[in-house]
Amino acid sequence: GAVVSQHPSWVICKSGTSVKIECRSLDFQATTMFWYRQFPKQSLMLMATSNEGSKATYEQGVEKDKFLINHASLTLSTLTVTSAHPEDSSFYICSATLSGYEQFFGPGTRLTVL
Amino acid sequence: GDSVTQMEGPVTLSEEAFLTINCTYTATGYPSLFWYVQYPGEGLQLLLKATKADDKGSNKGFEATYRKETTSFHLEKGSVQVSDSAVYFCALTLNQAGTALIFGKGTTLSVSS
Repeated sequence: GAVVSQHPSWVICKSGTSVKIECRSLDFQATTMFWYRQFPKQSLMLMATSNEGSKATYEQGVEKDKFLINHASLTLSTLTVTSAHPEDSSFYICSATLSGYEQFFGPGTRLTVL
Repeated sequence: GDSVTQMEGPVTLSEEAFLTINCTYTATGYPSLFWYVQYPGEGLQLLLKATKADDKGSNKGFEATYRKETTSFHLEKGSVQVSDSAVYFCALTLNQAGTALIFGKGTTLSVSS
C-alpha cells in the first residue's frame, strides 16, 4: 500500500527557533499533500493544501508566514514552523493523495516548544 | 458548509461488548465516507470506507454502512477487544481530486478486560 513518512517523529525546541518537518510519499508520487494540526484530544484541523510546484493554499486563520510550506517534488513536502512559540506545540500530521480523493497519512510529528 | 458530527465520548466498554459509534454528515453532492483510527501517540490509519450509498465498508470486524437517506455512517463491531482502545474519527471527502478530508471530532473508545 501507499506509505507516507514524516520526519522527525518528535521534536523539542526553544521558543523563537524554527522547526522543519518533512513529509514524504515513499512509494508513489503525490499530486497533493495536506498538512493537518491536532491539539490534544481534539480532531484534525486542515492547515493547508500543497501542490507540487505551486504555492500552498492556506485555510482561514492559518498564518502563511509562520507556517511555511514547500512542495519541492512529487514525493516531498516540508512544513517549517518559524519563530515557534509554546502555543505552536501540537501534533502535525501530513497526508498525500495518490490520485483522486483517497488520502494516506503520515505517522505525525509531535512538536513541543519550550 | 460540509461537516461531520460524531457522538461524543468517551465510550467505555467491557471486552466482547457490542460497539456503536454514531456518525452523521452534511455535504453537498455525494461524498465518500471514512472511518479512521488513531492509537495512542500514532498517526491515523484508515479503518474502512464507503464511496456510495448503501455501500458497506468492513475491516477487522468493524463495519459501517453508507446511509444516504439518514446521512449516516455509523461504526459497529460485534465484540470489541482491549486492543481496539483508540480514538475513532469519521470523515468525508467530496470526491474531487485535491480535496481535503473533513473530520468529526473523534470518539475515544476504552475497552477493559
